[in-house]
Amino acid sequence: DSGVTQTPKHLITATGQRVTLRCSPRSGDLSVYWYQQSLDQGLQFLIQYYNGEERAKGNILERFSAQQFPDLHSELNLSSLELGDSALYFCASRAGTGLSTGELFFGEGSRLTVL
Amino acid sequence: DQQVKQNSPSLSVQEGRISILNCDYTNSMFDYFLWYKKYPAEGPTFLISISSIKDKNEDGRFTVFLNKSAKHLSLHIVPSQPGDSAVYFCAASIYSGNTGKLIFGQGTTLQVKP
Repeated sequence: DSGVTQTPKHLITATGQRVTLRCSPRSGDLSVYWYQQSLDQGLQFLIQYYNGEERAKGNILERFSAQQFPDLHSELNLSSLELGDSALYFCASRAGTGLSTGELFFGEGSRLTVL
Repeated sequence: DQQVKQNSPSLSVQEGRISILNCDYTNSMFDYFLWYKKYPAEGPTFLISISSIKDKNEDGRFTVFLNKSAKHLSLHIVPSQPGDSAVYFCAASIYSGNTGKLIFGQGTTLQVKP
């Protein structure tokens, strides 16, 4: 158990819909990262938040957005869903911002299926 | 632009033998490398890391080798055990960067046969 909690574990929805994925980081961790893993793909970095502020952005589509709340949990919002958005979405956390504060701890992921 | 590449999607070895997983990178600014292991229905878990100031780091049965001139790293598992069967991801970053963003490879599925 990494201490990172993601909900829901599985989600099935239709094209054009909007979903929200939730992540609770490890206790005390200020940084939250979101990654996407599509079929046969590696983990693609989407976005990082540190203590409520966006810190780094990766290959995140404009239809996607995220935020980190004062209690440090984070939400990833996916809108106007397309079939290609079907993937595993991972949240990860660490104590600080840079790698000097340790490696990333991953949640079990949220599997999104768009029909 | 795939900055971190794992060119072997899968690898099968016999229990007790050595498993060698390879990873190549293109960004010469990367100076910190990690290996993660992932079982089905679980998130990736940290396995071992290496800084670019070293060429080898060992932790029990796991050893990571770094060849900076070739921009290549490898993970050796000796001896391999059936419980090592998983997907292994190589990741790279800039240690002193203020984001700690990790760039991952596509993963290699290791199967260790009893």
